[in-house]
Amino acid sequence: AQKITQTQPGMFVQEKEAVTLDCTYDTSDPSYGLFWYKQPSSGEMIFLIYQGSYDQQNATEGRYSLNFQKARKSANLVISASQLGDSAMYFCAPGTNFGNEKLTFGTGTRLTIIP
Amino acid sequence: NAGVTQTPKFQVLKTGQSMTLQCAQDMNHNSMYWYRQDPGMGLRLIYYSASEGTTDKGEVPNGYNVSRLNKREFSLRLESAAPSQTSVYFCASTEQGSGTIYFGEGSWLTVV
Repeated sequence: AQKITQTQPGMFVQEKEAVTLDCTYDTSDPSYGLFWYKQPSSGEMIFLIYQGSYDQQNATEGRYSLNFQKARKSANLVISASQLGDSAMYFCAPGTNFGNEKLTFGTGTRLTIIP
Repeated sequence: NAGVTQTPKFQVLKTGQSMTLQCAQDMNHNSMYWYRQDPGMGLRLIYYSASEGTTDKGEVPNGYNVSRLNKREFSLRLESAAPSQTSVYFCASTEQGSGTIYFGEGSWLTVV
């Protein structure tokens, strides 16, 4: 079974500061990249960003970017200029964009942005 | 565009009762998933379906059955509900090459 580690159960960050959320995963499949999802208190799961295993550059999407270290099997999510609305649970999940494998998630990091 | 739709959104069951959670997606996706999320925990995969007509067990399949009725619909059945199955259930779907997993809004199930 895959092992996914999010070492920060909770983080408090001052508004407008950058924040880095950690995620490491243990899979033998070299094609696996990483998904990141946000779950606000309302409960829905919101797709943030995906890093493909063979992508040459780190993925970026607006204020979200990934620090992908394939050899270490880690893909840390960086949120720049944090906002109050970023307060939520954040989950990572290794996988491909092939859409046909079991998708398992880490235990999540609860991020709280302080005004 | 509805995306992934789950019903019901809330349900209270008595121990031993049965029920089916319905999930439908209108994006023509091949892969669909059922997860459960216990309070303060991450998502755990119950069952998934890589394509119409196929289903496979995830991390926590015991006490559940699934049916991939057609490409659009993937239902989750609790035959004899137990208090340990009190959780929030999420259905999701994805398509090859998209890099995006779409989740439903969740179904809150309480077994008393």
